[in-house]
Amino acid sequence: ILNVEQSPQSLHVQEGDSTNFTCSFPSSNFYALHWYRWETAKSPEALFVMTLNGDEKKKGRISATLNTKEGYSYLYIKGSQPEDSATYLCASQDTGNQFYFGTGTSLTVIP
Amino acid sequence: NAGVTQTPKFQVLKTGQSMTLQCAQDMNHEYMSWYRQDPGMGLRLIHYSVGAGITDQGEVPNGYNVSRSTTEDFPLRLLSAAPSQTSVYFCASSGTTYNEQFFGPGTRLTVL
Repeated sequence: ILNVEQSPQSLHVQEGDSTNFTCSFPSSNFYALHWYRWETAKSPEALFVMTLNGDEKKKGRISATLNTKEGYSYLYIKGSQPEDSATYLCASQDTGNQFYFGTGTSLTVIP
Repeated sequence: NAGVTQTPKFQVLKTGQSMTLQCAQDMNHEYMSWYRQDPGMGLRLIHYSVGAGITDQGEVPNGYNVSRSTTEDFPLRLLSAAPSQTSVYFCASSGTTYNEQFFGPGTRLTVL
């Protein structure tokens, strides 16, 4: 069983601020790191899947980086907007098709 | 495309009852999985399937059975419900094992 840790647990930022979250995971048997966005009363929605050390992905104002050697990934949001308010989940996928999710970072963007 | 659908949305069971949570996808995805979501915990993998006729256990498989007779459907069976199985259950699918997963809307199950 992998322990996937996310920090901070929650975050409140002002509209326009940039912010970032951390996901840490054990490096053993690692295959991929997934980021999801989860809005209240909806289902998790995939943001990124990263597999290679040094991977960087970007979608609009959101980007992510991956360091598999030290076991962490960062998610960045540039110029936060109220519609970015959600819980952001990361999940580590191992080479045996198992997924291990963190408990998420809850982001609130204050207008 | 409907994506991933789950039925029912809500269910209340008594201890010892059995039931099946339904999951279907219309994207011709090979990989399907079931998770449970409990307060203060991350999503935990119950069972998964990499294709029709192939299933395997996840992190928390006890008390649950699955089968995959078609590519589209992946039902989750509770054999004898227990209060510890009170949870929100999500089904997910992806094109291959290593692609992004698409989640269904969830089933909220209460076992009394």
